[in-house]
Order: sequence, then structure tokens, then C-alpha cells
Amino acid sequence: NAGVTQTPKFQVLKTGQSMTLQCAQDMNHEYMSWYRQDPGMGLRLIHYSVGAGITDQGEVPNGYNVSRSTTEDFPLRLLSAAPSQTSVYFCASSRQVGSNTGELFFGEGSRLTVL
Amino acid sequence: DAKTTQPPSMDCAEGRAANLPCNHSTISGNEYVYWYRQIHSQGPQYIIHGLKNNETNEMASLIITEDRKSSTLILPHATLRDTAVYYCIVSSYGGATNKLIFGTGTLLAVQP
Repeated sequence: NAGVTQTPKFQVLKTGQSMTLQCAQDMNHEYMSWYRQDPGMGLRLIHYSVGAGITDQGEVPNGYNVSRSTTEDFPLRLLSAAPSQTSVYFCASSRQVGSNTGELFFGEGSRLTVL
Repeated sequence: DAKTTQPPSMDCAEGRAANLPCNHSTISGNEYVYWYRQIHSQGPQYIIHGLKNNETNEMASLIITEDRKSSTLILPHATLRDTAVYYCIVSSYGGATNKLIFGTGTLLAVQP
């Protein structure tokens, strides 16, 4: 099992450019989510999904889009990058919704810089 | 979801027990207490969780007070590799969502 795989690990964008951060998991997890972490801060939830075809907003959804067409993949799209979106992005997954497993599995992070 | 309060930082001597406190005075009956840690800039790692009973696993012990308004994560024999930011989170688990909201955590520095 590879677990949760994020690509790319590093990315530099110019203001106004768009890009997609990829996240894939091979554990057949229903739940997937995206967090961002700014320097010296905790993680903030951007969007999450409780299954294929179902997504919802977290704490800081503005400027980001997500979709969940398969169980395995949960890409995060930045439509028009802004310097305020410079951050480290983490993707996470867990087993079934309603399952008392308590464990989120995180990827290694994608470090994004917007100039 | 209930909010949590943790000290911003703590020190612990290597080999000694590290006791990390967390206040969650507004926790409701169906909310669990979760602990995660983040070593340097890696993705957070699950440690333990509980509802009302004390819990123990190979990594740590979780002590929840009887009124559930606070809890303590115990690392019984801290090592240098336990230096990390520790997050205490309370959240309902079940129903339509199981999102976890992270705060700023406690930076535990294990000293040699």
C-alpha cells in the first residue's frame, strides 16, 4: 500500500495561474479531505468528501474547487492563484463515514508558492 | 464541534513521561477526543482517541476526566523523536461527516 500520495511535492505559480493538486489513496477509504497549513499555524480544513460524487466545504473553501469522481482520487483545483494561497497542502483519508476508527491518514504535503 | 485549549509549548526530559493537557469544556456527549502529532513539516500522524474511558495503545495513553471537560495525553518514556506539535481535537464521529478541525497544538520539545 502506498497510502495517501500527493503530487506535486513542490510548485511555484504566478498570480492568476491555475493548477491542480493531486491526491490519491489506495486504501479504499470513503472519506477524503484537503487541509492547508500556513507557517506557524495549525491545519485548516478546505474541502472534504464522504464518498464518490459527494463534496462539501470546510473552514476555508474560497478560491478552491474539488471533485470526487472516483473513490481513489480527490484533486484540489486553484482557479486563479493568489499569494495568500501560498501554503503547505495536506490531503487526508479515512475509512467509512460513521466508523469509529478515529484515524486520518495524511499525505506528505504539497508545498505551493504563489508569486 | 467543541473547541480545545492547549499550552503553546512544553519541555520534557528524555526518558521521562510527557503529559500534555487539553481543555475542552464545551464538549458534547457524542464528541470524541483525538490526538495527532506533526513531526517537523510532515503530515500529521494519528496517536489515539477516546470517548469517555481512558485509552492506551503502543504509542500513548489518553486520560479523560470524568466530566470530559479535559484530557491528558501521556507519552510514558519520551524520546528525542517525540519532539513534535501535538494536536488535541474534539469532534463528532459519525453521521454525515467526520471532519476534524485542527487548532495550533502544543510544541513538545524533548530535551536530551
